[in-house]
Amino acid sequence: AQKVTQAQTEISVVEKEDVTLDCVYETRDTTYYLFWYKQPPSGELVFLIRRNSFDEQNEISGRYSWNFQKSTSSFNFTITASQVVDSAVYFCALRTGNQFYFGTGTSLTVIP
Amino acid sequence: EAQVTQNPRYLITVTGKKLTVTCSQNMNHEYMSWYRQDPGLGLRQIYYSMNVEVTDKGDVPEGYKVSRKEKRNFPLILESPSPNQTSLYFCASRKTATTSEAFFGQGTRLTVV
Repeated sequence: AQKVTQAQTEISVVEKEDVTLDCVYETRDTTYYLFWYKQPPSGELVFLIRRNSFDEQNEISGRYSWNFQKSTSSFNFTITASQVVDSAVYFCALRTGNQFYFGTGTSLTVIP
Repeated sequence: EAQVTQNPRYLITVTGKKLTVTCSQNMNHEYMSWYRQDPGLGLRQIYYSMNVEVTDKGDVPEGYKVSRKEKRNFPLILESPSPNQTSLYFCASRKTATTSEAFFGQGTRLTVV
């Protein structure tokens, strides 16, 4: 069975702190994709990153970075020097076959 | 501009009154799907469609219907809404079933009283 676990329900940090959002996934498929989405207070889902199962290279995009480790089935997301605008709910997702499986989300609050 | 458009954005209705939430995409995508988002449960798939006239149940299809008569439209129908269908609904589309990137609509917040 496919499953995505985001154990952190809510996180609060002070502005400029670094924060890591954890994501652990389960699948028996050898080909799959992992995603992170941001949901700001306005409610829409904003695509952040996609990773396929054959590419374990970590990625950095500005203040965002992602650490994909197949050995631990984890795809963690780090925000460096957090800002108030980073306050949102972040979803990790797994795609196998035709379907997406979402985690329950981590609500991040960045305190000014 | 490539987009997925849902209407309405907000809806309050009464139990048992049939309603339809529309979803339209302008990217000629084959694959479309509906999700509901509930606190502590993340997004769960309701129905999906791999192409015109091809629909299938997701994880939580009870109480919902869909149709896919045209490629661009994938309406979600609640024949007899109940309070437990109060939720935030998202429509999404992908180019094909095997394409990884999904485009999401802005969401429809439905309240059933």
